[in-house]
Amino acid sequence: DTGVSQDPRHKITKRGQNVTFRCDPISEHNRLYWYRQTLGQGPEFLTYFQNEAQLEKSRLLSDRFSAERPKGSFSTLEIQRTEQGDSAMYLCASSLGSGRAQTQYFGPGTRLLVL
Amino acid sequence: AQKVTQAQTEISVVEKEDVTLDCVYETRDTTYYLFWYKQPPSGELVFLIRRNSFDEQNEISGRYSWNFQKSTSSFNFTITASQVVDSAVYFCALSEAPNSGNTPLVFGKGTRLSVIA
Repeated sequence: DTGVSQDPRHKITKRGQNVTFRCDPISEHNRLYWYRQTLGQGPEFLTYFQNEAQLEKSRLLSDRFSAERPKGSFSTLEIQRTEQGDSAMYLCASSLGSGRAQTQYFGPGTRLLVL
Repeated sequence: AQKVTQAQTEISVVEKEDVTLDCVYETRDTTYYLFWYKQPPSGELVFLIRRNSFDEQNEISGRYSWNFQKSTSSFNFTITASQVVDSAVYFCALSEAPNSGNTPLVFGKGTRLSVIA
């Protein structure tokens, strides 16, 4: 059973460029979460999917951010017109089931640096 | 609103010492889950433990133990006989659990543990 994988692991871009990150959850996990972590802080929730449906988006997710999970498998997170404040680690997590007892398992993250 | 407070920003101990990481949480729900994750320098969050709000029994797993006290809204984590490999940032997290399934995790700011040989 492979864990959550994310690609790329590192991304350096110039301000104003668009970037896209990919997350592959643990197979059979129907919930997928995106979090953002800045230096010295805990991860902060961005959005999550149950299967292909995006169920919740945090206020942190500005209109420059969009996430998709076509077919309920992998997910992509796109940031348009990047700003220096977008520099952070972007973490993906997945969990199984629709009941209460769900543990989220995290991927290695994508570290974004906007110059 | 949910909130998790980890008052200790950084802790340094000498190898083989015991160390306790504090976690205090706030929630209005009666059903919720508490978690601890470890984040080594590589950056990946590693799941350590999950407890639900109805189970206050303390748990021990090897050198790790957890003390859950609803009366003080605390979920503290103790490492016994610390080792250099325990050096990492440790996060406490909370998830409320409505019938539709638990909500996204709310994390504390983490405690950086350095174990010195």
